[in-house]
Amino acid sequence: KQEVTQIPAALSVPEGENLVLNCSFTDSAIYNLQWFRQDPGKGLTSLLLIQSSQREQTSGRLNASLDKSSGRSTLYIAASQPGDSATYLCAVRANAGGTSYGKLTFGQGTILTVHP
Amino acid sequence: DAGITQSPRHKVTETGTPVTLRCHQTENHRYMYWYRQDPGHGLRLIHYSYGVKDTDKGEVSDGYSVSRSKTEDFLLTLESATSSQTSVYFCAISALVSNTGELFFGEGSRLTVL
Repeated sequence: KQEVTQIPAALSVPEGENLVLNCSFTDSAIYNLQWFRQDPGKGLTSLLLIQSSQREQTSGRLNASLDKSSGRSTLYIAASQPGDSATYLCAVRANAGGTSYGKLTFGQGTILTVHP
Repeated sequence: DAGITQSPRHKVTETGTPVTLRCHQTENHRYMYWYRQDPGHGLRLIHYSYGVKDTDKGEVSDGYSVSRSKTEDFLLTLESATSSQTSVYFCAISALVSNTGELFFGEGSRLTVL
């Protein structure tokens, strides 16, 4: 059974800092890994999707890396801003015979607070 | 943003009453999902659909049923609501064409069962 763990559970940083959120998973046979952010009372917004054959993806100030062999992914946020405050979740999709239909397992999330 | 609309966004109901939540998408995506999100449990899959009239159970399907008569609509029904079904329900969609499996979520429906 796939287990996804996110560390830390909560993080508070001053504005402008670069920061790293961690996601680890127990079964390396994954199809892809997706990072989301969730604002209070809102749905999940997709940030980055990394396929199992990729090592990293970048979007603006965000960079996500994937190391399947060690079962780890990191989300790097450069020059953090108060607007980055949210809960960040990672989700790992199982490899169902090379398709995108495998089960998706979510981590519990990291609550990020960026204070001015 | 993915075109996903959930309705109602908020509902309060009493134990034993039926409740239907609707998810409508404008993206023509094949896959649609219903999740519930609860403190301490995170996101859990209730049911999903891989095409019109094609549905399957997730990990917490007891007490829920679904229907998909059109590509754009996926309904979640609680036949007889219980207090344990108080939760925030999210609909999600993913595409088949690109086959990346990227998931997009709706804004959620907050259900309170008294």
